[in-house]
Amino acid sequence: QQQVKQSPQSLIVQKGGISIINCAYENTAFDYFPWYQQFPGKGPALLIAIRPDVSEKKEGRFTISFNKSAKQFSLHIMDSQPGDSATYFCAAGEETSGSRLTFGEGTQLTVNP
Amino acid sequence: NAGVTQTPKFRILKIGQSMTLQCTQDMNHNYMYWYRQDPGMGLKLIYYSVGAGITDKGEVPNGYNVSRSTTEDFPLRLELAAPSQTSVYFCASRNRQYRGPFNYGYTFGSGTRLTVV
Repeated sequence: QQQVKQSPQSLIVQKGGISIINCAYENTAFDYFPWYQQFPGKGPALLIAIRPDVSEKKEGRFTISFNKSAKQFSLHIMDSQPGDSATYFCAAGEETSGSRLTFGEGTQLTVNP
Repeated sequence: NAGVTQTPKFRILKIGQSMTLQCTQDMNHNYMYWYRQDPGMGLKLIYYSVGAGITDKGEVPNGYNVSRSTTEDFPLRLELAAPSQTSVYFCASRNRQYRGPFNYGYTFGSGTRLTVV
């Protein structure tokens, strides 16, 4: 069964701190690893994504680190802000299977002011 | 540009009733998906479609049916609703052709919150 395991389930950080969310996957055929951000009452929105041919990708305060040999990837949020408080989902997908994404269980991030 | 539109936003069903969750997109996307979201469980794929007339089962298809007669619409049908189908349902779409880092990403609708009592 294709699975993506995400941790922690919840995370509380202070404003200005670093938030780190980790994910691990099993299927080595996955070729796309996005992170989604979801606010209450809204659908998930694509935040940042990486392909397995690079080890890191940075978009502003958000960085994905990717370890292909360990089959793990993580999201780092630098200088965390209260507006970053949301639920974050990692996912993994395979283009040849209709671009289906398998999602992690989600991490509820709270950034205290 | 509306993106992905889902209706209704909320619905309460009685056990055994049926309903159709509507999803339409105006981006001419080939691929469409239905996910359900349960607390602490992430999103689980119910059904997906890679184009009009083509549908396939996802991870949790039991109790649901779909059709894709047009590129724009991908309705999800619940037959004989059960309490286990209480969930938030999300429809998503993406373009088959992708270039650049974000074109592989899904566009999600705002969801339908369904309660079966």
